[in-house]
Amino acid sequence: NAGVMQNPRHLVRRRGQEARLRCSPMKGHSHVYWYRQLPEEGLKFMVYLQKENIIDESGMPKERFSAEFPKEGPSILRIQQVVRGDSAAYFCASSPLRTGTGANSPLHFGNGTRLTVT
Amino acid sequence: DQQVKQNSPSLSVQEGRISILNCDYTNSMFDYFLWYKKYPAEGPTFLISISSIKDKNEDGRFTVFLNKSAKHLSLHIVPSQPGDSAVYFCAASGGRGLTGGGNKLTFGTGTQLKVEL
Repeated sequence: NAGVMQNPRHLVRRRGQEARLRCSPMKGHSHVYWYRQLPEEGLKFMVYLQKENIIDESGMPKERFSAEFPKEGPSILRIQQVVRGDSAAYFCASSPLRTGTGANSPLHFGNGTRLTVT
Repeated sequence: DQQVKQNSPSLSVQEGRISILNCDYTNSMFDYFLWYKKYPAEGPTFLISISSIKDKNEDGRFTVFLNKSAKHLSLHIVPSQPGDSAVYFCAASGGRGLTGGGNKLTFGTGTQLKVEL
């Protein structure tokens, strides 16, 4: 199964620690998107990356959050000095190419990382 | 500012009957709409989509209708089956006014569908 792989599935961090969430896109996909789902809410866009480039980070909180998608290896979403409000499910999705307006290539999502901050 | 709205948090339907899930949007720049299905502890799975140049798209038991003038779309599932019980998310994308373009999706808050025997 060459789907979108996210790890870990569950992550528990104490307030002030760092959280690192990993995402390996589907084979052949070079575009990665990170979304966050807070309890009782829909998925909210965070950031869109291509290899070695951040294309759109308009949904990222201005502090403590960063993302990268290096030339080799998975995409990483990093949250520094976590707070209780960061507790959420973080989903990664991938697509094969930037399709622009009228996209006809739906995003494929991983099963998410559930972050719990204690 | 909730640009995609699903006003019914839950829906209960009997097996074999039709399920109708509704979605409204406010951004007239959206030109592509999708429905995702989500089981607990899993990621969303793509179900069906529709481009703004169409008003209907059908795939097996699933049909999506788009009313652009009303900025409204709906997902019809017929006949409904117990395995359809899940959370359904409406999502929208597109428009040159959106930063980065691509497949950036704006999601609704979801509707929990329960199909009862």
